Amino acid sequence: DGGITQSPKYLFRKEGQNVTLSCEQNLNHDAMYWYRQDPGQGLRLIYYSQIVNDFQKGDIAEGYSVSREKKESFPLTVTSAQKNPTAFYLCASALGQGQGSDTQYFGPGTRLTVL
Amino acid sequence: AQSVTQLGSHVSVSEGALVLLRCNYSSSVPPYLFWYVQYPNQGLQLLLKYTSAATLVKGINGFEAEFKKSETSFHLTKPSAHMSDAAEYFCAVSGSARQLTFGSGTQLTVLP
Repeated sequence: DGGITQSPKYLFRKEGQNVTLSCEQNLNHDAMYWYRQDPGQGLRLIYYSQIVNDFQKGDIAEGYSVSREKKESFPLTVTSAQKNPTAFYLCASALGQGQGSDTQYFGPGTRLTVL
Repeated sequence: AQSVTQLGSHVSVSEGALVLLRCNYSSSVPPYLFWYVQYPNQGLQLLLKYTSAATLVKGINGFEAEFKKSETSFHLTKPSAHMSDAAEYFCAVSGSARQLTFGSGTQLTVLP
């Protein structure tokens, strides 16, 4: 089955620790995205990548880092510099062709809780 | 610059009643518009999207939306609500940069 997987589904972290969230897709999509979701605020873009070995900051990149070494993988690291990391994190991918009509397909999400 | 406003963070309807979820957008370029649905603790699933081919867009699960440029709106409707429609719904807009800007979401409750 083609799709996007995120792991783990639930993640607990102590303050001051870095943690990495996994996102893998087998849809052969060029573009990948990370969003953060907080209650009542919709989804906010953290980072995105249109091609391997290239990525750009989104609206709320501070305290986060990413890499895109392989087409199918786009891991997100939440660093200790992120002031309020407790949230639901969603990864998405898209073909990356054409203009803004690309449909983004979402993974099941990772819920991060800082203890 | 682009933005989305979803009017009503919570909407309740009776089973079998009309569902109307409101979305207004702002975009400096001709927009592409999307509606997504999210069930608790899950990712988002595309319901439908507008790409300028037709102003009335039909999606999955009996939902449809109409693009009205003069009103800058893209409201989501379904003639008859079902219990399984209870979820959170997000409207999103995309310009030429292929980045989605989401509204804050509308939680739909379906009453028996």
